[in-house]
Amino acid sequence: DAGVIQSPRHEVTEMGQEVTLRCKPISGHDYLFWYRQTMMRGLELLIYFNNNVPIDDSGMPEDRFSAKMPNASFSTLKIQPSEPRDSAVYFCASSLDRRGTDTQYFGPGTRLTVL
Amino acid sequence: LAKTTQPISMDSYEGQEVNITCSHNNIATNDYITWYQQFPSQGPRFIIQGYKTKVTNEVASLFIPADRKSSTLSLPRVSLSDTAVYYCLVGDLTGTASKLTFGTGTRLQVTL
Repeated sequence: DAGVIQSPRHEVTEMGQEVTLRCKPISGHDYLFWYRQTMMRGLELLIYFNNNVPIDDSGMPEDRFSAKMPNASFSTLKIQPSEPRDSAVYFCASSLDRRGTDTQYFGPGTRLTVL
Repeated sequence: LAKTTQPISMDSYEGQEVNITCSHNNIATNDYITWYQQFPSQGPRFIIQGYKTKVTNEVASLFIPADRKSSTLSLPRVSLSDTAVYYCLVGDLTGTASKLTFGTGTRLQVTL
């Protein structure tokens, strides 16, 4: 398996633009997580899905952020409109089962810069 | 929500044993403790997981006291390639109030 795949790897955009980050989890994994990493706040869990259903989105910073998982092999994290403070590395991770405390496999991340 | 605290950084010489402690005073009954390693420009990578007592695998040991309010990751005989940031993750996803909380991370620098 190729592991968790994220695209794009780097994204530079201007304030106010819509940004869409993409993730393909490892096949067969039931849980999918979106994290944000910044120097100031470290690694933060934004939202996670179980069997394509969003379970907990309490980590999503505000309404500008939304995430979807239309099928077991694809998820998106959208920011609209984007702001400079959204600049961070966004990671997607997936795990097999058992309440999500199984090993999480992280993707390489998307480095987002909002100018 | 279990808040975690780790030392910001640690230094070690190659070949030494390194112990990194994570405090999680508010750990819940169902919470597991997991440690991850992160290299620059990469996502975190699983090292070890435990619930209580001691767990050992081919790369590390995890010590968890009976009260589970802390945990210690032990890396035997570190090498230069172990230079990375180490995170402890506490949490569980069962129930409606489930959360996962990463620690602030400990930056380990290994030198010759």
